[in-house]
Amino acid sequence: DAKTTQPTSMDCAEGRAANLPCNHSTISGNEYVYWYRQIHSQGPQYIIHGLKNNETNEMASLIITEDRKSSTLILPHATLRDTAVYYCIVRVDDYKLSFGAGTTVTVRA
Amino acid sequence: GAVVSQHPSWVICKSGTSVKIECRSLDFQATTMFWYRQFPKQSLMLMATSNEGSKATYEQGVEKDKFLINHASLTLSTLTVTSAHPEDSSFYICSAMTGFEELFFGEGSRLTVL
Repeated sequence: DAKTTQPTSMDCAEGRAANLPCNHSTISGNEYVYWYRQIHSQGPQYIIHGLKNNETNEMASLIITEDRKSSTLILPHATLRDTAVYYCIVRVDDYKLSFGAGTTVTVRA
Repeated sequence: GAVVSQHPSWVICKSGTSVKIECRSLDFQATTMFWYRQFPKQSLMLMATSNEGSKATYEQGVEKDKFLINHASLTLSTLTVTSAHPEDSSFYICSAMTGFEELFFGEGSRLTVL
């Protein structure tokens, strides 16, 4: 799997958009970008995934650069319940996911 | 979204005993499931890939005789930690894939070996 680089931590104000960057400069053409988050002592929660095009769902938006070497997860209106560790992962066809350290996001009131 | 359920959510056992953890896909069939382990303040580490009707594939460094995986149906995979010792205490998490390229995780099972 391509390695990903994420900031170790970031703070966000409640009600504001949270933009989480991820670099995956060695990604290849058939590798998807997945985002998960993990709240303390729970299993990871699926957020969104994409290959080339930008994606949006009820939780977040995923912006993938044209060269696919980086992406940004956008939480449009962060709430206190969005405090979690966010993982950016790229995977190939076998669906095995390799988790890095992720970004610890703290949403402050 | 799709639901993956694990049972038990937490278990305490004595050293030397075996513990079985179940992973179920509740509203979809999963030919492949994955088992992860997570130690405190660390990220998830993939242990093995569970394939319905065939042997599991283990990651390097994971003892297959220690962590027995059975995937007897399209909705159930089990992980048995045999002869558990305190160093096996961890958070065990399974995941399963739907037919829409979405991979969902269970709630996790916390094992404490005394």
